[in-house]
Amino acid sequence: QQPVQSPQAVILREGEDAVINCSSSKALYSVHWYRQKHGEAPVFLMILLKGGEQKGHDKISASFNEKKQQSSLYLTASQLSYSGTYFCGTEPGNTPLVFGKGTRLSVIA
Amino acid sequence: NAGVTQTPKFQVLKTGQSMTLQCAQDMNHNSMYWYRQDPGMGLRLIYYSASEGTTDKGEVPNGYNVSRLNKREFSLRLESAAPSQTSVYFCASSPLPRALGGRGYEQYFGPGTRLTVT
Repeated sequence: QQPVQSPQAVILREGEDAVINCSSSKALYSVHWYRQKHGEAPVFLMILLKGGEQKGHDKISASFNEKKQQSSLYLTASQLSYSGTYFCGTEPGNTPLVFGKGTRLSVIA
Repeated sequence: NAGVTQTPKFQVLKTGQSMTLQCAQDMNHNSMYWYRQDPGMGLRLIYYSASEGTTDKGEVPNGYNVSRLNKREFSLRLESAAPSQTSVYFCASSPLPRALGGRGYEQYFGPGTRLTVT
């Protein structure tokens, strides 16, 4: 089951904050976050594991509510370089990662 | 380290032609994946190989076959290309995922192959 991301798109000015949400209908082992710039491959940002372990980017934070099967990615003091499409990926059991449809983030000066 | 490499970068096929997309990784990862990316659809898993010697279907396997040639290489074959297979194809690798008995490590993606079927 593909996780649902919201919003689908967001436009920010430099320095503003944004939150991207990801929810699943299934219990999750982990949630991943990736960023993809236009014409490039997705790049890993963060992984949040069941039980509280996290690993990832030191300037981006995320949360994982295991009971609600929800995760949020927090982008603070956005920079132009934050622009791109953000994907969450969920591991809903004995299957590999399933990605959401993405959230397009545009940061303008 | 080259990471994950894919060949070719671009390909145009006519309907009915066949081709193989190549992928290799030099990170000694157990697991490898093939995704397709279409506008507005995110990344959809075609096939994966949790470890050398095993392959499994993903969400959209129809029209594709795969071979895990060794631990480094994982190829994707289109036997009879159709216009619906026009897409960008990404290969990825990771250590064994948590859900499959590993520790839940991130995936590393190759640069992609842009395929057009006319």
